[in-house]
Amino acid sequence: EAGVAQSPRYKIIEKRQSVAFWCNPISGHATLYWYQQILGQGPKLLIQFQNNGVVDDSQLPKDRFSAERLKGVDSTLKIQPAKLEDSAVYLCASSSLGTGRKGYEQYFGPGTRLTVT
Amino acid sequence: QQQVKQSPQSLIVQKGGISIINCAYENTAFDYFPWYQQFPGKGPALLIAIRPDVSEKKEGRFTISFNKSAKQFSLHIMDSQPGDSATYFCAASPHNKLVFGAGTILRVKS
Repeated sequence: EAGVAQSPRYKIIEKRQSVAFWCNPISGHATLYWYQQILGQGPKLLIQFQNNGVVDDSQLPKDRFSAERLKGVDSTLKIQPAKLEDSAVYLCASSSLGTGRKGYEQYFGPGTRLTVT
Repeated sequence: QQQVKQSPQSLIVQKGGISIINCAYENTAFDYFPWYQQFPGKGPALLIAIRPDVSEKKEGRFTISFNKSAKQFSLHIMDSQPGDSATYFCAASPHNKLVFGAGTILRVKS
């Protein structure tokens, strides 16, 4: 079974530029998550999708971050405009369980390391 | 209340020794407690997980101990090996979401 795919693996941009990350979850996984992992910290959930609908985006800085999951499979996360503090690894994860059930397993991709200069 | 506090920040263990990492939480709505292992340049990988209806779960050299009354859980790595050197994250799940601890950098000396 193929894992979660992410691209690009690395990205360097200047502040105020825009950037987009792509994620392809494990086949058949209905739930997709985007996390931000700042160096030396644990991942922090940005947004959770169930199929192509948003379940939770309470921690997404909506003035500059946006995400979509068209057709309930692939997802893109966009930052526009980027700030220095957005430098982090952006992780995508997927799981096969929907909301309302207790316990699930999330599988993470390798992440995209973003450096904003 | 959504925090998970993890300690220590870093840990050095001799090969063959026992590595112990601790986590504490406040929110009684947390109902699933996984541990993830992360190597440099890789995403976190699920190691082992427990639900609060059991006090201990063992998989190979990895054991989770869970104390519901104290709201604490810990990861024990028996017979630690240099290949176990990585960052370990505890997490807790309220309603199908994950809240992560800050991580523990484990180094196993050969």
